Amino acid sequence: AQSVTQLDSQVPVFEEAPVELRCNYSSSVSVYLFWYVQYPNQGLQLLLKYLSGSTLVKGINGFEAEFNKSQTSFHLRKPSVHISDTAEYFCAVSGSSASKIIFGSGTRLSIRP
Amino acid sequence: EAQVTQNPRYLITVTGKKLTVTCSQNMNHEYMSWYRQDPGLGLRQIYYSMNVEVTDKGDVPEGYKVSRKEKRNFPLILESPSPNQTSLYFCASSGGVSYNEQFFGPGTRLTVL
Repeated sequence: AQSVTQLDSQVPVFEEAPVELRCNYSSSVSVYLFWYVQYPNQGLQLLLKYLSGSTLVKGINGFEAEFNKSQTSFHLRKPSVHISDTAEYFCAVSGSSASKIIFGSGTRLSIRP
Repeated sequence: EAQVTQNPRYLITVTGKKLTVTCSQNMNHEYMSWYRQDPGLGLRQIYYSMNVEVTDKGDVPEGYKVSRKEKRNFPLILESPSPNQTSLYFCASSGGVSYNEQFFGPGTRLTVL
């Protein structure tokens, strides 16, 4: 069975500071990994995804994530955050089919001026 | 514009009064799914559909029904809503070249009194 753990429910950072949102997964099969962002009162939007190939994945809005198979992690990073990055971020894992995607519990990123 | 739409966006109802939340996508996607989002729990899958007339249970199907009579529509039915179904509901679709990326609707906030 697959599962996803987001270690931090809330992450406060100052504007222009770097941020890392942590995600660990467990799976007995090959996985696809995703990060979604949810802005206030909106649906989820895909930030980036890892399917295969390079373990460093670049997404929208300056975010990137690194797939680490040995540590079963897929942490999300941004070198300098902006007020507009305030949102909730969800890590997700799936197998070869999109029929079953497991979401983490989410990390709320709050940016302080 | 490619999108997933949901109606209504907000709904307050009373225990036991049947309701339907509609979901429609214009991307000709084969796969559609319903999730509920609750604080601290992330998104949990209710039901999904791999194609017309093909539906299956997700992780939390109790108290819900779905149907897939047309490719574009995937309504969620609560025959006898209860207060524990108060939640934020999202519909999602995927398919074609983006089969492993889910596109989400804007969400329906349901309150059952």
